Amino acid sequence: NAGVTQTPKFQVLKTGQSMTLQCAQDMNHEYMSWYRQDPGMGLRLIHYSVGAGITDQGEVPNGYNVSRSTTEDFPLRLLSAAPSQTSVYFCASSYSWTSVLGGELFFGEGSRLTVL
Amino acid sequence: KQEVTQIPAALSVPEGENLVLNCSFTDSAIYNLQWFRQDPGKGLTSLLLIQSSQREQTSGRLNASLDKSSGRSTLYIAASQPGDSATYLCAFFSNDYKLSFGAGTTVTVRA
Repeated sequence: NAGVTQTPKFQVLKTGQSMTLQCAQDMNHEYMSWYRQDPGMGLRLIHYSVGAGITDQGEVPNGYNVSRSTTEDFPLRLLSAAPSQTSVYFCASSYSWTSVLGGELFFGEGSRLTVL
Repeated sequence: KQEVTQIPAALSVPEGENLVLNCSFTDSAIYNLQWFRQDPGKGLTSLLLIQSSQREQTSGRLNASLDKSSGRSTLYIAASQPGDSATYLCAFFSNDYKLSFGAGTTVTVRA
């Protein structure tokens, strides 16, 4: 198993550009989520999904869009990048929401995004 | 909203010393708490999970305690090693199933 795979690992954008951060898992996990990590702050939830075709907003969803057409993939789209979206983004997955509550949350290695 | 604070932000100790990492939270209505480890350039790895009905959890050299009345959790790492150098984050599930993370404590263990 490759686990949770995020691409790209690094990206530089100009203000106003759009892009998609990719997240894929090969563990047949129903629950997938996106977090951002900023210096001096804890991880903050952006969007999450409890299964294919189901998504919901987290704590900081503005400026981001997600979809879940397959169990394996959960892409995060930045529609019009802003400097405030400079951050490290993590994708995390789990077998189910109940598994998340049981402490089973698997993280990717992160995507570092800089918006100029 | 659950506020989670980890102090200090950074810690440097000589090899062999015991580590004590603190985590405080504002809302005592927690479902459980979890301690994670993050290595530079990597994602988070779960270390320990404590249910709200428990007071502590142990795994090898790691011991985590939970005191809901005082709003604190402590992670103890016995006989620290250079390989323990990493950032340690605590996270709480509140009873409405929101997961709140602290900013972490970055630990350096000097050989």
